[in-house]
Amino acid sequence: AQRVTQPEKLLSVFKGAPVELKCNYSYSGSPELFWYVQYSRQRLQLLLRHISRESIKGFTADLNKGETSFHLKKPFAQEEDSAMYYCALLSGSARQLTFGSGTQLTVLP
Amino acid sequence: GAGVSQSPSNKVTEKGKDVELRCDPISGHTALYWYRQRLGQGLEFLIYFQGNSAPDKSGLPSDRFSAERTGESVSTLTIQRTQQEDSAVYLCASRVGGNYGYTFGSGTRLTVV
Repeated sequence: AQRVTQPEKLLSVFKGAPVELKCNYSYSGSPELFWYVQYSRQRLQLLLRHISRESIKGFTADLNKGETSFHLKKPFAQEEDSAMYYCALLSGSARQLTFGSGTQLTVLP
Repeated sequence: GAGVSQSPSNKVTEKGKDVELRCDPISGHTALYWYRQRLGQGLEFLIYFQGNSAPDKSGLPSDRFSAERTGESVSTLTIQRTQQEDSAVYLCASRVGGNYGYTFGSGTRLTVV
């Protein structure tokens, strides 16, 4: 069965510092991975997906199949990046997302 | 509508009562999902509807949980004889078939007292 692990529940960094949110997955097939973000009092929204190899709001994430990881990185954190971040794996005929437990990122001034 | 709408946004109910949660997906989105998010935990898949096909109910935690959807319209999630462990945020998401981009609603926060 598929599984997504986000080992850090809470992460605090100072503004301008680099940030990395960790995500590891377990899946027997070819993974399709995503990062979702939920800002305070807003709904969950897609941040980026590995298949697009895109950079959104300065964030990037590289799929490392050898380490089964999909860590989210940003070189210079901003206060507006403070939010809950979820890593998710798409699988199955239902195309359902399996979510990690989330990491609450706080960027301090 | 422009987005996925869920109602009510908040629901407090007494243990043992039944509750019904509603999701109105984006028009034209054939796929609809229900997830549950308990405090401090990730999202748990509950049920999936795709068009007129039989739903995937593999994530429903017990027979107290059921959901319906007629065609590509509104879906309702019903929890019978609610228990305190049912307290959570219930999220609905829809997507266009074949496109893996989910659009989430803002959720219903259910509190069972």
